[in-house]
Amino acid sequence: QVQLQQWGAGLLKPSETLSLTCAVYGGSFSGYYWSWIRQPPGKGLEWIGEINHSGSTNYNPSLKSRVTISVDTSKNQFSLKLSSVTAADTAVYYCARGRIKPYCSGGSCRGAFWFDPWGQGTLVTVSS
Amino acid sequence: SSELTQDPAVSVALGQTVRITCQGDSLRSYYASWYQQKPGQAPVLVIYGKNNRPSGIPDRFSGSSSGNTASLTITGAQAEDEADYYCNSRDSSGVGVFGGGTKLTVL
Repeated sequence: QVQLQQWGAGLLKPSETLSLTCAVYGGSFSGYYWSWIRQPPGKGLEWIGEINHSGSTNYNPSLKSRVTISVDTSKNQFSLKLSSVTAADTAVYYCARGRIKPYCSGGSCRGAFWFDPWGQGTLVTVSS
Repeated sequence: SSELTQDPAVSVALGQTVRITCQGDSLRSYYASWYQQKPGQAPVLVIYGKNNRPSGIPDRFSGSSSGNTASLTITGAQAEDEADYYCNSRDSSGVGVFGGGTKLTVL
């Protein structure tokens, strides 16, 4: 059974760079979308971005200028960096494995995408 | 638009059936996935694809879709189903999007 374990600094000052790493245990690294998702205190989930095993990335347009997601396939790890953080970036950050599958019927196709499993979450607080 | 809209709160009597809905244009191209989140815990996948449940998810959870609306149905809600529920999809450029979440109260 695949498990994700994440770690990184939990307290940052404004303008610093957030850095988190997620290790993948017990499963293949290829064929998935390794993702980061965050949740501000008391609020909903926000998709940050993803990377596949070959290093192709896709980011939330609202964060794109500050986000870098990278992968180290030799260690089965992927990482998140978010630069120039402010208090608005205070959140629980989750890593997750994303998977996509097409469903085709009668000549038309529809996609399905889901996140499973998730890491345990890391609370990152930005405060001066 | 890549937004997904959910009702903020829904309640259901113990043992009854409840439907949680999610609306958005991206749902015409992608099936929604649904996540259950209890306080202080990471979200857990409960429904994905056309109507698939991961191992360990009770069969009282089911999913459906029509046009730009996806639904999560809990048939015979239990006290342990009280949680926040989020839908997720992707827009045409592959950007992920979550609904705002629905707080389910089991009375």
